[in-house]
Order: sequence, then C-alpha cells, then structure tokens
Amino acid sequence: TQLLEQSPQFLSIQEGENLTVYCNSSSVFSSLQWYRQEPGEGPVLLVTVVTGGEVKKLKRLTFQFGDARKDSSLHITAAQPGDTGLYLCAGYVGEGKLIFGQGTELSVKP
Amino acid sequence: GAVVSQHPSRVICKSGTSVKIECRSLDFQATTMFWYRQFPKQSLMLMATSNEGSKATYEQGVEKDKFLINHASLTLSTLTVTSAHPEDSSFYICSARDGEGREFFGPGTRLTVL
Repeated sequence: TQLLEQSPQFLSIQEGENLTVYCNSSSVFSSLQWYRQEPGEGPVLLVTVVTGGEVKKLKRLTFQFGDARKDSSLHITAAQPGDTGLYLCAGYVGEGKLIFGQGTELSVKP
Repeated sequence: GAVVSQHPSRVICKSGTSVKIECRSLDFQATTMFWYRQFPKQSLMLMATSNEGSKATYEQGVEKDKFLINHASLTLSTLTVTSAHPEDSSFYICSARDGEGREFFGPGTRLTVL
C-alpha cells in the first residue's frame, strides 16, 4: 500500500505547456516535501510545505499544501526542456522516516 | 547547503562478491543516516536507518545479513552488499540528517552485478 499516491506517473508535454502533479494521502502530514531528481543523481529538495493551505512559488513552480494537510500539488507554468526529470513528493512518518510517492517522470519536448 | 558524498559513484561486480558503499557528510555531523534503494523508473524505497554507535534499523523485507550497515563515526556510514546477485543491481542512495533535522541526499551509487 502506497502511503503517498502521486499522479500522473508519466507526463510528456511540449515546451510552453502547463502541468500539474498531484500527491495524495489518506494520512495527515505535518509537512510535505517536493524533490526533483535527474538520471544518475540523488534527489534535490525543491520545497517544503508546512501549513495547511500554504502556497509557495519557486520561479515557474507553484506548490500547494491542502487545507487538511493530506495532499499537495506542484504546478509548472510554461514548462521548459530543462524541467525534464523525476519529481517526487515525500513526507515524514513514524520515527522520522521519509517516505516517497511513486514519482512523476516529466519529459518536456522542445 | 550541506554536502553528502558517496563512493563509489558506480560499481560493477561479479555475482557472489561483496561490495562496500560509503556515505559521508562532508561539512556537518550526522548522528542519523539513511540508505535507500531505487530501481529503474521507480521511486526511492527506504532500506534502513543507520545510527552512529548503534545497530541499524532495517525496514520490513530488507535482509540485515545481506545489507550490512556500519555507522562508525558522525560523518561516515557504510553499506556492504554481501554475496551480491544480479537482482541486487540498483541505484543506492544515502542521506544524512543534520542537527536541525534536515535531511540531505548523496548523489547515489549505481551497482551492477553481473
């Protein structure tokens, strides 16, 4: 059973399009994190959302934390080929262990 | 931000041999380090929690006798894959937690078992 359900798992779009990635759970999280990972590298933290309803922006990326702190979304505006990569949501459970969603493989074609 | 290194970055070994992967926190001390495994096109799965000076805590389904973890100092944890087999081929990633509870990831080690 996946505690964090991410969708879609694969996304292929053209440069300039917008997209949204979703991360859902039936559990409440004190915070959720979003990472980006490129092939052959470790994940890099993009943002941590902490407060229910919070919206954070990072250039063309907008992150939202659900009011009930059970879900989060990542919206990318005007995607560019450089945005290509694996996007992962993650949250801490139990004894401080980080669990990840299945990931969203994004491909942005020029 | 804090830096975590892994060595080697990639390793190819024969079936039946053992491979050691090092994870180092370069500019901070980490009482807790974590080891993850990532298969192609999949997400990271936590294998074990490595605590300095004590035994590692393994996740369900991870064989502790096959994946030996040693956390001998506040800046170094090692993962040894014993008697490796082709199904152990994967991308192994470590992370280290600093004194403020922030977790930093290493660049990963690609293990290929022939």
